[in-house]
Amino acid sequence: DAGVTQSPTHLIKTRGQQVTLRCSPKSGHDTVSWYQQALGQGPQFIFQYYEEEERQRGNFPDRFSGHQFPNYSSELNVNALLLGDSALYLCASSLPGRGTGELFFGEGSRLTVL
Amino acid sequence: GEDVEQSLFLSVREGDSSVINCTYTDSSSTYLYWYKQEPGAGLQLLTYIFSNMDMKQDQRLTVLLNKKDKHLSLRIADTQTGDSAIYFCAERHNYGQNFVFGPGTRLSVLP
Repeated sequence: DAGVTQSPTHLIKTRGQQVTLRCSPKSGHDTVSWYQQALGQGPQFIFQYYEEEERQRGNFPDRFSGHQFPNYSSELNVNALLLGDSALYLCASSLPGRGTGELFFGEGSRLTVL
Repeated sequence: GEDVEQSLFLSVREGDSSVINCTYTDSSSTYLYWYKQEPGAGLQLLTYIFSNMDMKQDQRLTVLLNKKDKHLSLRIADTQTGDSAIYFCAERHNYGQNFVFGPGTRLSVLP
């Protein structure tokens, strides 16, 4: 049973560039959430996708956008990168409204902005 | 606010018990979770507790919940070197789908 998979694992960009990160949820899960984890901090909620729509959004600017595909996989896009966007980006999948709704996390994509 | 607070560091001897504490702010939280993160890895769910419970035990892990004080703790019995990691407390609000995480407690287990 494949868990949550993310790609790429590491990438380096320069300020002003754009980046796309990808996520495949755990088998049987239909909801994908994205979190940003800056160095030494806990994960911060970016947004959640369900049925191909953004269901809830955290306190992140519009430079952060996403998409969910019919197969439940998801992308996170960040435009006009800033140095402060350097972080580990975590994707998590879940089954909303069923049981405890716990999040299952991928290994993350580590983004460095120079 | 929505801050979840944790002490940042804890150091224990191998074989001792570890107690990691957390305070949360939202009394409407339905579930509270403990996650573990090893270096360079994602977060792994350790255990959770429903808000109407006071205690939950799962092998070496014991979770205590004090709703009045909004205090959550994780006790690890017989701590091993493999338990060295960062432990995150998280709450899930009743009205939303997002989790709010604390800053994490770095547990160091000394031989």
